[in-house]
Amino acid sequence: GAGVSQSPSNKVTEKGKDVELRCDPISGHTALYWYRQSLGQGLEFLIYFQGNSAPDKSGLPSDRFSAERTGGSVSTLTIQRTQQEDSAVYLCASSFVGLNPQQYFGPGTRLTVT
Amino acid sequence: GQQLNQSPQSMFIQEGEDVSMNCTSSSIFNTWLWYKQDPGEGPVLLIALYKAGELTSNGRLTAQFGITRKDSFLNISASIPSDVGIYFCAGQETSGSRLTFGEGTQLTVNP
Repeated sequence: GAGVSQSPSNKVTEKGKDVELRCDPISGHTALYWYRQSLGQGLEFLIYFQGNSAPDKSGLPSDRFSAERTGGSVSTLTIQRTQQEDSAVYLCASSFVGLNPQQYFGPGTRLTVT
Repeated sequence: GQQLNQSPQSMFIQEGEDVSMNCTSSSIFNTWLWYKQDPGEGPVLLIALYKAGELTSNGRLTAQFGITRKDSFLNISASIPSDVGIYFCAGQETSGSRLTFGEGTQLTVNP
């Protein structure tokens, strides 16, 4: 079956521009997570959506970062006024809700800010 | 915030050798997970551990959840070239919550 998909796979943008990254979770998964992975580093939590509950935004690094999830499915991560330090791979994961749910990761979007 | 210390950062081994890597935490996790990431892809779950002291195997992989809930190790036996990749530990406080990742162990297997 289809896994988590993300688009675009690569994005190069100029400093100061806004970017939108998209995540399509696995059908039926009600939990969705965004992580960021800088070069040679582990994954850093950004934001978590669970059903209709208020999202956990505690990992967002600044107010330039925001995310929404429409209709409980597709999610968009928006970075405004991009900076060079925003360059990283942005990974999305989804899971079902239940006992010991596994987070399935997409391939990520590699963002380069020039 | 919570941090996971993962070691070693990199390993270079010969095919057929066993490897071991571990993670320690400054705080308690109720779930420990081990992931493998290949270039250009997202992490893939290898083993999940849900109980302190639990020892779980998945083929040539064995992982343990430390009894203090603050550490875990992963062993790979009889390594093969396709084991090459980056291995990450991750801790989870409660079911379904965010994952806290270690910085990864880059494994290279020489044929």
